[in-house]
Amino acid sequence: AQSVSQHNHHVILSEAASLELGCNYSYGGTVNLFWYVQYPGQHLQLLLKYFSGDPLVKGIKGFEAEFIKSKFSFNLRKPSVQWSDTAEYFCAVTGGFKTIFGAGTRLFVKA
Amino acid sequence: DTAVSQTPKYLVTQMGNDKSIKCEQNLGHDTMYWYKQDSKKFLKIMFSYNNKELIINETVPNRFSPKSPDKAHLNLHINSLELGDSAVYFCASSQDRQGRGETQYFGPGTRLLVL
Repeated sequence: AQSVSQHNHHVILSEAASLELGCNYSYGGTVNLFWYVQYPGQHLQLLLKYFSGDPLVKGIKGFEAEFIKSKFSFNLRKPSVQWSDTAEYFCAVTGGFKTIFGAGTRLFVKA
Repeated sequence: DTAVSQTPKYLVTQMGNDKSIKCEQNLGHDTMYWYKQDSKKFLKIMFSYNNKELIINETVPNRFSPKSPDKAHLNLHINSLELGDSAVYFCASSQDRQGRGETQYFGPGTRLLVL
């Protein structure tokens, strides 16, 4: 069955702490991988994506993610979070015209 | 210059009513989507349209009927609303023409509350 699993539902960090959000997927065939972010009161927007090539991709606001094919993982990282990173983060997998989202991870950064 | 817009932003209605949500994108994209986000923030695809044709229908009850009058619009009509339909509905679009999985651009969402 096609699925996306995000390991953490809620994460609370202090500013300057490092962040890693886990994402594993189960999907037959070629996929594209995304991280979307939803800031409070705003709509979802793209954080970064992986289609092919270098498995380490960099996105906006200092975020990066690493695609590890053997582990079916696409974890999101940021070395030093800021209060403004407080948001809901969604991992997503797309194959064909279908996108499957993970359940989301709510990140709260304490100032 | 909103890229993907939805109306209304909020919708409060009684059980059994019929309502519509409109979505428009000015990005020139070929593919549009409807998603449902439940109270736990879980985001699930409902429909995907490519070039006005239905591509994905994820076992959505037939009370939900999408309509795409042209590539820039994908409206969602819901008949006989039920309590469980309460959610946030997001419209999105992408320039995905061949199902390659392009970036999606989301609207602001429509918060539907069924009483």
